[in-house]
Amino acid sequence: NAGVTQTPKFRVLKTGQSMTLLCAQDMNHEYMYWYRQDPGMGLRLIHYSVGEGTTAKGEVPDGYNVSRLKKQNFLLGLESAAPSQTSVYFCASSYSGADTQYFGPGTRLTVL
Amino acid sequence: AQSVTQLDSQVPVFEEAPVELRCNYSSSVSVYLFWYVQYPNQGLQLLLKYLSGSTLVKGINGFEAEFNKSQTSFHLRKPSVHISDTAEYFCAVSDLAGGSNYKLTFGKGTLLTVNP
Repeated sequence: NAGVTQTPKFRVLKTGQSMTLLCAQDMNHEYMYWYRQDPGMGLRLIHYSVGEGTTAKGEVPDGYNVSRLKKQNFLLGLESAAPSQTSVYFCASSYSGADTQYFGPGTRLTVL
Repeated sequence: AQSVTQLDSQVPVFEEAPVELRCNYSSSVSVYLFWYVQYPNQGLQLLLKYLSGSTLVKGINGFEAEFNKSQTSFHLRKPSVHISDTAEYFCAVSDLAGGSNYKLTFGKGTLLTVNP
């Protein structure tokens, strides 16, 4: 039982490049989330999903897209990376929206 | 809309001293409340949560928190801290309005540093 895993762990991009972050969970959770963490800002919700095939915008969705084609996976895409997207990205999952969220180890992204 | 305020961004304490990390929330409806801990270079993990019932909630590693509805607070306490408690602590709230799409709103975090 691996819980929530994220790949990659680290990535450096140049401005304008694209990439996809993968989140996988093996707990059969319905809800999945993508957050970004910046110093002094706490965690801010980018996008979330309440089930396979669904996605919804969070607090800071601009510049990101997501897909939930399979229940266990939640992908976060950056189509044209910008330096303002330099951050640590966390994925989380939960059984329901009001339940405990389980977090992955994070992806540290630097955009030059 | 819900919001969370963690009143201290940093709290330095000495080992074996008591500690209180303060959290106030704002919501017009009933809420669920959470405290998460983040150790260096790791993801967040649940410390404790309040859903209903007793207002005093006990969590892992000797931490506890008290829900105070009148003061809209959910302060985290530990009577005697260890060096290993050094971490960032996040308070979070989930309100019960609007169907089943509940979301967590996090505070900005409190960095607890335990010194020998």
